[in-house]
Amino acid sequence: DAGITQSPRHKVTETGTPVTLRCHQTENHRYMYWYRQDPGHGLRLIHYSYGVKDTDKGEVSDGYSVSRSKTEDFLLTLESATSSQTSVYFCAIGGLAGNEQFFGPGTRLTVL
Amino acid sequence: QQQVKQSPQSLIVQKGGISIINCAYENTAFDYFPWYQQFPGKGPALLIAIRPDVSEKKEGRFTISFNKSAKQFSLHIMDSQPGDSATYFCAASWQGGSEKLVFGKGTKLTVNP
Repeated sequence: DAGITQSPRHKVTETGTPVTLRCHQTENHRYMYWYRQDPGHGLRLIHYSYGVKDTDKGEVSDGYSVSRSKTEDFLLTLESATSSQTSVYFCAIGGLAGNEQFFGPGTRLTVL
Repeated sequence: QQQVKQSPQSLIVQKGGISIINCAYENTAFDYFPWYQQFPGKGPALLIAIRPDVSEKKEGRFTISFNKSAKQFSLHIMDSQPGDSATYFCAASWQGGSEKLVFGKGTKLTVNP
């Protein structure tokens, strides 16, 4: 998985609780991305980062925030989880001139 | 204009057959077209990619065909094997787009023995 880890790998939480997912890379890539994957929707970009403290919104950013205080870590926070945020979340790294993105193993989040 | 439309949604092929998955796009600024393969419980993995300066790229049994004028590209899997059973995603990105990928909705391929 190209030096990308995600934690936790599985999480069950209740509606209204805050949740933070972590993505850690050892590849020193500048770009990092958070996607969600849902049946019938493919992969949709939530937020991305193009450097430390540099982030921007993706296609489905409502209800999510991100932070990147170090090159290697990119955090995704659900301030108040809702059932519609039940999904599999993938972190990816890469881009640069090659455009390649490498994906982590994913986090399965269930919001009850 | 940012969409990538992928078809079919699912595909069943016999072992040894040819699997063909198609994608279409609207944004003429797209200049990178990758295909990702995803097995259940795993993250997507880059399979093969093409840029619009060539019409075809082949890597082993996998070939991308690219038609710039039609704004379409396709993945061909020759001699399909049961181990190729997975979900395949096409995607596209463009320079100046912060390297963001726009994904198709995926095709679930089943190769029967």
